[in-house]
Amino acid sequence: TQLLEQSPQFLSIQEGENLTVYCNSSSVFSSLQWYRQEPGEGPVLLVTVVTGGEVKKLKRLTFQFGDARKDSSLHITAAQTGDTGLYLCRVNAGKSTFGDGTTLTVKP
Amino acid sequence: DTAVSQTPKYLVTQMGNDKSIKCEQNLGHDTMYWYKQDSKKFLKIMFSYNNKELIINETVPNRFSPKSPDKAHLNLHINSLELGDSAVYFCASSHAEGWGGVTEAFFGQGTRLTVV
Repeated sequence: TQLLEQSPQFLSIQEGENLTVYCNSSSVFSSLQWYRQEPGEGPVLLVTVVTGGEVKKLKRLTFQFGDARKDSSLHITAAQTGDTGLYLCRVNAGKSTFGDGTTLTVKP
Repeated sequence: DTAVSQTPKYLVTQMGNDKSIKCEQNLGHDTMYWYKQDSKKFLKIMFSYNNKELIINETVPNRFSPKSPDKAHLNLHINSLELGDSAVYFCASSHAEGWGGVTEAFFGQGTRLTVV
């Protein structure tokens, strides 16, 4: 059983659409990160959320940490082709642990 | 200047061979990691070093041996390579993390290992 379950696993949308991806767990975390990985590259940090209920915005990306600090969501408004990539959540549960990822494809 | 650099980027080798992947970071971080990303893109931690000392050693075959000659370097040596070792291996570094907290991890570009 995965500590962090991400959904959906794959998402293919048209440019301009909105989308939300999720990172869920039954465990409580003091903080959680979202990374984006583009093909042929390593993951790059997008955001760290630390407070239950926290909402952070990064241009068209909105990140939310659940009130109970067990889950998080990433919402993208008006997706662009440059948003294409693998989105990963990460926590420290005694060791660095990533979710199983959401592969997003944004078509022109 | 590349923050975390690993070499080589691609490695194709035959079963049974021994190979090494090198990693260097110039960020002054205390902690370095090796991750394996499989064909399903799942990124799993293999080893974690803090100030040259091994702090996490996941269930990895002992054919994999990390070596940290200093804080800025963490190399991965693999003996007797098997087909199932084919994957992308990522080196990363970060400031030391307290229990439960996460700090930003900086990743290298990855080494795509193909065992034939």
